[in-house]
Amino acid sequence: DQQVKQNSPSLSVQEGRISILNCDYTNSMFDYFLWYKKYPAEGPTFLISISSIKDKNEDGRFTVFLNKSAKHLSLHIVPSQPGDSAVYFCAVPRGKLTFGQGTILTVHP
Amino acid sequence: DVKVTQSSRYLVKRTGEKVFLECVQDMDHENMFWYRQDPGLGLRLIYFSYDVKMKEKGDIPEGYSVSREKKERFSLILESASTNQTSMYLCASSSNLIGNSPLHFGNGTRLTVT
Repeated sequence: DQQVKQNSPSLSVQEGRISILNCDYTNSMFDYFLWYKKYPAEGPTFLISISSIKDKNEDGRFTVFLNKSAKHLSLHIVPSQPGDSAVYFCAVPRGKLTFGQGTILTVHP
Repeated sequence: DVKVTQSSRYLVKRTGEKVFLECVQDMDHENMFWYRQDPGLGLRLIYFSYDVKMKEKGDIPEGYSVSREKKERFSLILESASTNQTSMYLCASSSNLIGNSPLHFGNGTRLTVT
């Protein structure tokens, strides 16, 4: 049972434009969400998180939005840069960290 | 700076071999984890440990075992490797088992079982 779903396996964006990565979850009791970024041949690194008491958290070019009623969160990257090309995972703590399937983001120069 | 080190970047093993994947962290973290990453399936938890000599099954423990004899070291063991265990294996550690504290990952071991 996939409790965290990223339904878009890949996303292609032009440099300078906005990238929007989406994540849906099934359990309304989840109260904390994280995004990780992974380059090839490296381990994932923590990017940004959000608590359910907020609906938005911003860190530089990265903003995460949480829509609790829709059980949906999204990561916005503005402006996108070629160095942002990576796999992005959303994750929820469920005793231990449970990850979505990942979305491969490609930012074209 | 935080460091999680996995001993091998690439491994090629034959079906039926016993395989050891080693992971060491230098952050004095209580908790360590083994995940595998497969295309379209994301990161799936195999086993984790919250203390020396303690271990808990993750979501996909079948075919694997683990060993945590020292706080800094967490080993993943494939008792009899099979081709469906060909994958990228990622070790991680954290100070917080609940998950609000971010995981620190190693660079991964790409295992191919032929």
